[in-house]
Amino acid sequence: DIVLTQSPALAVSLGQRATISCRASQSVSISRYNLMHWYQQKPGQQPKLLIYRASNLASGIPARFSGSGSGTDFTLTINPVQADDIATYYCQQSRESPPTFGGGTKLELK
Amino acid sequence: EVQLVESGGGLVQPKGSLKLSCAASGFDFNSYGMSWVRQAPGKGLDLVADISSKSYNYATYYADSVKDRFTISRDDSQSMVYLQMDNLKTEDTALYYCTVPWGWFAYWGQGTLVTVSS
Repeated sequence: DIVLTQSPALAVSLGQRATISCRASQSVSISRYNLMHWYQQKPGQQPKLLIYRASNLASGIPARFSGSGSGTDFTLTINPVQADDIATYYCQQSRESPPTFGGGTKLELK
Repeated sequence: EVQLVESGGGLVQPKGSLKLSCAASGFDFNSYGMSWVRQAPGKGLDLVADISSKSYNYATYYADSVKDRFTISRDDSQSMVYLQMDNLKTEDTALYYCTVPWGWFAYWGQGTLVTVSS
């Protein structure tokens, strides 16, 4: 299975940029498709899709969220961070079955 | 609007059984695979099982941790997906989510809590 590695936590100040990384144990890109996706999960809620295929904003997601990367290294950027963005963020790959998730990065206020 | 509503969770003793249900609506259920993803308390997300559509012969996948203990099934006439969980272990304690795997998981239910404890 493809293993996705995320830093456990990131401290950020409101109004600043947050950069959350995800590294895959092998490439999750096929041709021009980067099969990495990002989710936000707040306490007591189900995960919410933010970004699909590395850089595509899901429906209803604010433009301060963006994604980039290819191959094995991917980044979710939130700029500027708002109070409502304090949550845990997960990456997920669909390059190979089974789909796997990263361990999550908890975004905290500095 | 896509809706996924899970039910069937509860408290069960080790080695016991439980059957989870997920009622789906708002999309062409027959055309899509369905997945169960679980989240242990304070932990991350793990795919437990999935089942493909009839077009792919209802092929199933199980995580190694639940293989031979859990069975996923679906009823296309009712737009329902099930997870039969047998020989439950304390490590199966988690919130179980029903999701639609479109490569990414665009839709999630609210989850149903399974607690395995004596």
